[in-house]
Amino acid sequence: GAVVSQHPSRVICKSGTSVKIECRSLDFQATTMFWYRQFPKKSLMLMATSNEGSKATYEQGVEKDKFLINHASLTLSTLTVTSAHPEDSSFYICSATQGGDIQYFGAGTRLSVL
Amino acid sequence: AQSVTQLGSHVSVSEGALVLLRCNYSSSVPPYLFWYVQYPNQGLQLLLKYTSAATLVKGINGFEAEFKKSETSFHLTKPSAHMSDAAEYFCAVSTHSGGGADGLTFGKGTHLIIQP
Repeated sequence: GAVVSQHPSRVICKSGTSVKIECRSLDFQATTMFWYRQFPKKSLMLMATSNEGSKATYEQGVEKDKFLINHASLTLSTLTVTSAHPEDSSFYICSATQGGDIQYFGAGTRLSVL
Repeated sequence: AQSVTQLGSHVSVSEGALVLLRCNYSSSVPPYLFWYVQYPNQGLQLLLKYTSAATLVKGINGFEAEFKKSETSFHLTKPSAHMSDAAEYFCAVSTHSGGGADGLTFGKGTHLIIQP
């Protein structure tokens, strides 16, 4: 089946630094990738939709300057949390699709900002 | 706008017993509905999906779900629970098949516990 790899699985950083999370589709070309955020005991919340070669579309309330998304190739999308603060600590999950097909999810990245 | 409600953040059943995980949705257009399972330290895996074909949908690992428009429900069932079914289960809704064009709206998840 289709595999999506997310890296790193866990990251701890100091407040004010930037963190990059990678999402790769290992055995298929992903025309669309999605980034979700999951708070403790809450559902996954869609942050943004990313199409290869285009600017990401952000959901209402998501700061695009804080959460930079780059989808430079059909197999890689990155999420950069800029100037991270403790309130950005969360579980971030990406998914990828091939042209409207099923979403395949990465295992997620646990971000802790000290 | 869409929303999903999963009743019960934790459900505990005995091994061999019926599994029933409840999901109700709200959507202004005909929905596409999904159940995903998440095992510890793994990504979400699709169990099954409803995309306006048959209302009773069969998925992997013996799970099935029935779409009931009148009740706006899409409950997940399995006749006989196995220990390996212990995991977090998410119901999700989209207005496009596979959520390809739109992201998914998820419920809060139900943690399924299997008692030996």
